Amino acid sequence: GAVVSQHPSWVICKSGTSVKIECRSLDFQATTMFWYRQFPKQSLMLMATSNEGSKATYEQGVEKDKFLINHASLTLSTLTVTSAHPEDSSFYICSARTGGAGWVVNTEAFFGQGTRLTVV
Amino acid sequence: GIQVEQSPPDLILQEGANSTLRCNFSDSVNNLQWFHQNPWGQLINLFYIPSGTKQNGRLSATTVATERYSLLYISSSQTTDSGVYFCAVEETSGSRLTFGEGTQLTVNP
Repeated sequence: GAVVSQHPSWVICKSGTSVKIECRSLDFQATTMFWYRQFPKQSLMLMATSNEGSKATYEQGVEKDKFLINHASLTLSTLTVTSAHPEDSSFYICSARTGGAGWVVNTEAFFGQGTRLTVV
Repeated sequence: GIQVEQSPPDLILQEGANSTLRCNFSDSVNNLQWFHQNPWGQLINLFYIPSGTKQNGRLSATTVATERYSLLYISSSQTTDSGVYFCAVEETSGSRLTFGEGTQLTVNP
């Protein structure tokens, strides 16, 4: 299957600092990537849809100024958690679909390894 | 939005037992996938199955789209099968995947 690589796997940061998480599609192009958040013992919740070359689409209740998304190329999307606070501690996972540039619907989704963020 | 319900929420098995996990969804879908989340959080793709039946080793899955459900079968379970199994669906109206709450499977030796 397709490979999606996420980095870093885990990060500890101080409250008030910013953290950047990278998501790369290694063997296919992805015009659209997705960012999820998962709290312990819970399901994955979609935070935003990242679109190459344009602004991300955020789900209701997700602060776009706090969770900055940049999708500068067909293989890389980044999520920056700005001015992190302890309540931002969570597991963040990215996903990309394999439909090729410009086609997402009804294609298989693959996920990165996830990033465990701890804010102290 | 679409509702995705998985059952049972928790399942404990002895090694070698068989099990069936269910996923019900409330609307028509373009896509349905089953995942296994391992203890490190990685989501492993099991099946991409918007309809029909597929098999991969000890695992198989069936989706009956017209009746809005999918089943994941695990036969001769092993301790390494432990983890959370998620069903995720894509609504016909868009590209986003919506996840169910998952089934926590524990296989004891």
